[in-house]
Amino acid sequence: QVQLVQSGAEVKKPGASVKVSCKASGYTFTSHHIHWVRQAPGQGLEWIGIINPRDGTANFALNLQDRVTMTRDTSTSTVYMELNSLRSEDTAVYYCATEGRYALLYFDSWGQGTLVTISS
Amino acid sequence: DIVMTQSPDSLAVSLGERATIKCKSSQSIFYSSNNNNYLSWYQQKPGQPPKLLIYWASTRESGVPDRFAGSGSGTDFTLTISSLQAEDVAIYYCQQYYSTPPTFGQGTKVEIK
Repeated sequence: QVQLVQSGAEVKKPGASVKVSCKASGYTFTSHHIHWVRQAPGQGLEWIGIINPRDGTANFALNLQDRVTMTRDTSTSTVYMELNSLRSEDTAVYYCATEGRYALLYFDSWGQGTLVTISS
Repeated sequence: DIVMTQSPDSLAVSLGERATIKCKSSQSIFYSSNNNNYLSWYQQKPGQPPKLLIYWASTRESGVPDRFAGSGSGTDFTLTISSLQAEDVAIYYCQQYYSTPPTFGQGTKVEIK
């Protein structure tokens, strides 16, 4: 079955960068887009962006597009989300999720989440 | 961006009773060419990632109990839990996937009365 395993929690200072990984298994890595979604403490869900593992192309939320990068490594079936110029409001749990089976923009299987804390 | 608004923010229901959650989109998320509403529902329990319950507004994901039912079309949607169980205590989110960016409702917290 589809499994997404994310890297561990991170603590970063304001202005730094963070890179979170998401290792996929249980399916053909290049056959499904992967999304990133974040959730600030006690808050709702916010879409960050999507990457196509087949060719590495990505699309981002407008409010984050200047600070976020998504890459993939097909040899290890892993996607990465890097967020730069971190601010306190970036403190959140970051999730990766596969695209829906029948449409691109819903979320089928989810990783366990990675807590990123921004603190001076 | 399409704004998704859920109501209520929270509700408390007795075990075995019905729970009803509403979700309204700021514009229609019905695509006439394929007769589908681009609406999904998720369940999130504390400390866990969201879990897909329903897509196409009313299609249950494999393995989801049939006490969960989605309905509605256009801009107004409903998630109904027909007979609330203890394990259904969670926050429920609706989400539109009609257009980019995909957007979520603010969530509805379901508790036991």
